[in-house]
Amino acid sequence: KAGVTQTPRYLIKTRGQQVTLSCSPISGHRSVSWYQQTPGQGLQFLFEYFSETQRNKGNFPGRFSGRQFSNSRSEMNVSTLELGDSALYLCASSFDRPDNYGYTFGSGTRLTVV
Amino acid sequence: AQKITQTQPGMFVQEKEAVTLDCTYDTSDPSYGLFWYKQPSSGEMIFLIYQGSYDQQNATEGRYSLNFQKARKSANLVISASQLGDSAMYFCAMREDNNAGNMLTFGGGTRLMVKP
Repeated sequence: KAGVTQTPRYLIKTRGQQVTLSCSPISGHRSVSWYQQTPGQGLQFLFEYFSETQRNKGNFPGRFSGRQFSNSRSEMNVSTLELGDSALYLCASSFDRPDNYGYTFGSGTRLTVV
Repeated sequence: AQKITQTQPGMFVQEKEAVTLDCTYDTSDPSYGLFWYKQPSSGEMIFLIYQGSYDQQNATEGRYSLNFQKARKSANLVISASQLGDSAMYFCAMREDNNAGNMLTFGGGTRLMVKP
């Protein structure tokens, strides 16, 4: 079966710009979570969407936002980019509380802000 | 306070030997799940094994087993018969079930290097 697809894989943006990242979950998965991974802060939870509703939100500024569509595809947006937003952004999809088969992650979008 | 602690930033293991990656966690939630993920240099997170807080037996999945010591709040990953392809970053993660939803808290990771 198709895995979790994140697009684009790589992105270079300039400070002050905005960016939109996309995540297409595995068919049938209604939960999509987003994580930011940096060398300094490690893996940090951004937010989770379930059936088009934001269910959890991490400790990130309001410049980080997301949404989920009726087909469960999710986008995250970062406005007014800062150098510190350079990171690998990972999304994970699942049924609710998948437990024994875990959360399936995409390959990530590597964002570089210059 | 750190909820998930992985004290070994990097480890070497000889091919075909077993290795234990440490993970301790902190939660007051009686119901939680513990996960281990492998992240190769490509960046994708690969699910390895899961342990629920109420599971009586340690989880096993092929060459991976989880040494779950609930009273000590530790969930160490044991990889038997290491292979060169096991070289990667390994992350321990926890989901606390008092929160609705699927939020994982990750440890800082351990870089495992397998020597031929």
